[in-house]
Parts: sequence; C-alpha cells; structure tokens
Amino acid sequence: QKEVEQDPGPLSVPEGAIVSLNCTYSNSAFQYFMWYRQYSRKGPELLMYTYSSGNKEDGRFTAQVDKSSKYISLFIRDSQPSDSATYLCAMSVGTGGFKTIFGAGTRLFVKA
Amino acid sequence: AAGVIQSPRHLIKEKRETATLKCYPIPRHDTVYWYQQGPGQDPQFLISFYEKMQSDKGSIPDRFSAQQFSDYHSELNMSSLELGDSALYFCASSLGVTGAYEQYFGPGTRLTVT
Repeated sequence: QKEVEQDPGPLSVPEGAIVSLNCTYSNSAFQYFMWYRQYSRKGPELLMYTYSSGNKEDGRFTAQVDKSSKYISLFIRDSQPSDSATYLCAMSVGTGGFKTIFGAGTRLFVKA
Repeated sequence: AAGVIQSPRHLIKEKRETATLKCYPIPRHDTVYWYQQGPGQDPQFLISFYEKMQSDKGSIPDRFSAQQFSDYHSELNMSSLELGDSALYFCASSLGVTGAYEQYFGPGTRLTVT
C-alpha cells in the first residue's frame, strides 16, 4: 500500500463547476500537506500548502486537512478550462524531514 | 522572478552510458531535491541536499550519485544507464530546513535511454 493514495481520474467537469480533489494517507507523522498543479511535460507548480489540520483559502482554491481521518482535499471554485491539468497532493513530515511523498495525481479536464 | 534551472532539457543516452544532470536553484535557496517521474507516474523522491550535505534519501539506485556544490547548484550523476531510467528528472529547491513544504520545481530533464 502506498503512503499516499490519490484517484488518478480522469475527472471531467463543465466550466464553472466546483471541483473536489482528494487524497488519503497512512503516515501520521506527516505535518505539511501540499497541492501541486502540473501541466503536461512541465514541472509541478506549488498551489498551496497547509500545516497540520485546518483550512486554507487562496482565491478560487481551498485546501482542507483532516488529520484524524488522514484525508486532505482541494476545492476549486468556478473552474476554468485553464485549470485543466494534473493535480498532485504531496506530504512531508516537515522539520528535519525533507522527503516528500507525492500522490499519483488526478487529471482534471474542465470543458468550456 | 528567477526560477530553478535544469540542464540539459533533453538527453539521449545508450544503455550502460553515463549521464550528468545539473540543477541551479533559485537564488538564496539552500536546499535541493531530485525527483524521477516516469510516464504517467507521480514524482518519486530520489535525494535531497541542505547546505551542501545530503539531508534525506529516497529510492535512489546505487548507480546514481549526487552532490551539492559551494554555489548550491547540484548534479545528479547516473552510471550504467538502463532502459528503465528513461524518465523526466526534476530538480526542486527551497529555503531552509523547514522549506520542504514550499518547493519550487524546475522544468525537468527528459532522459531517454536507448
């Protein structure tokens, strides 16, 4: 079993829809939870990170972490065709731990 | 703003040859990470360096070695290349010991082993 599980999709939604992307994990030592966006043949781009449990909002993006359930989510409001990409969750233990574990990535298609 | 620079962008090698990938982190970033991403796969952590010392190690084959130099750039050396080494190799950089959650990735080096 992988440390981080993420449904690879693909997920197809109409423009303007609310998108929900999720990951589960097994290592309770993870403290930092990140979401990256990756366009085809490009490097991952950091969208946002959250420390421990709670919510964080940045524009149309909201990240949620529920450590008790070992479950994290990324919500995208008013989705746009330009949001079409692969979204990767990633986690690390934080201080003293540089190793970052990525999920498999979810391919998202937003149709105009 | 300056980003992470990787060179070369594309590299074609034959089996059993050696390859060297270079990474130039964002200015003032002192931590470098290397990842391998196969087709349709997630980035696999290989190794990281903080202040020129190895800070963490992942699934890096013994045939691979890496180091970080005094100017903080890093090189990944890959020997006895195998077909399965064909992948995108990303370098990322961050600032400080707690910066692992804020990594900035380079454009990647696409390695093809024939």
